[in-house]
Amino acid sequence: EAGVAQSPRYKIIEKRQSVAFWCNPISGHATLYWYQQILGQGPKLLIQFQNNGVVDDSQLPKDRFSAERLKGVDSTLKIQPAKLEDSAVYLCASSLDRDFTDTQYFGPGTRLTVL
Amino acid sequence: LAKTTQPISMDSYEGQEVNITCSHNNIATNDYITWYQQFPSQGPRFIIQGYKTKVTNEVASLFIPADRKSSTLSLPRVSLSDTAVYYCLVGASGGYNKLIFGAGTRLAVHP
Repeated sequence: EAGVAQSPRYKIIEKRQSVAFWCNPISGHATLYWYQQILGQGPKLLIQFQNNGVVDDSQLPKDRFSAERLKGVDSTLKIQPAKLEDSAVYLCASSLDRDFTDTQYFGPGTRLTVL
Repeated sequence: LAKTTQPISMDSYEGQEVNITCSHNNIATNDYITWYQQFPSQGPRFIIQGYKTKVTNEVASLFIPADRKSSTLSLPRVSLSDTAVYYCLVGASGGYNKLIFGAGTRLAVHP
């Protein structure tokens, strides 16, 4: 079974530029998550989708971050404009459904460096 | 959501058994306990989940006492490849799947 795919794996941009990340979840998984992981910390949930609807975006900085999940499958996360403090690894995860007991499967992440 | 407390770091040697204890004093009746493992430059990976008593799989065992206010992840005979960060998470079945990660426990396995 293919895992969660993410691209790109690495991205370096200058502050105030824009960047987008792509995620392809495991086939059949209804729930998709984006996390931000700053060096030395645990992942922090940014947004959760159930199919193509948003379940939780309470920690998404909406003035600069946006995300969409078209047709309930792939998802993109965008930052516009980027700040220095956005330097982090962005992880995408998916699960069969939205219950806590449904295992979340994580992708390898995209490491973003903002200069 | 129940708050969890676990040691920031632990050291062990190859071949030893490692036990990482997580405290969750305000765990609720519907809450389950889940552990994830994260290697450098990778996303977290599910290890084990339990509700009470003992759960064992091919990777680890999870011990949960009767009061469920703590849990212990046990890794038998660790190797260098078990060097990772281990996260303890608590959440309710029937509630939506929100993982709140703390800093986790950094386990270093030495030769």
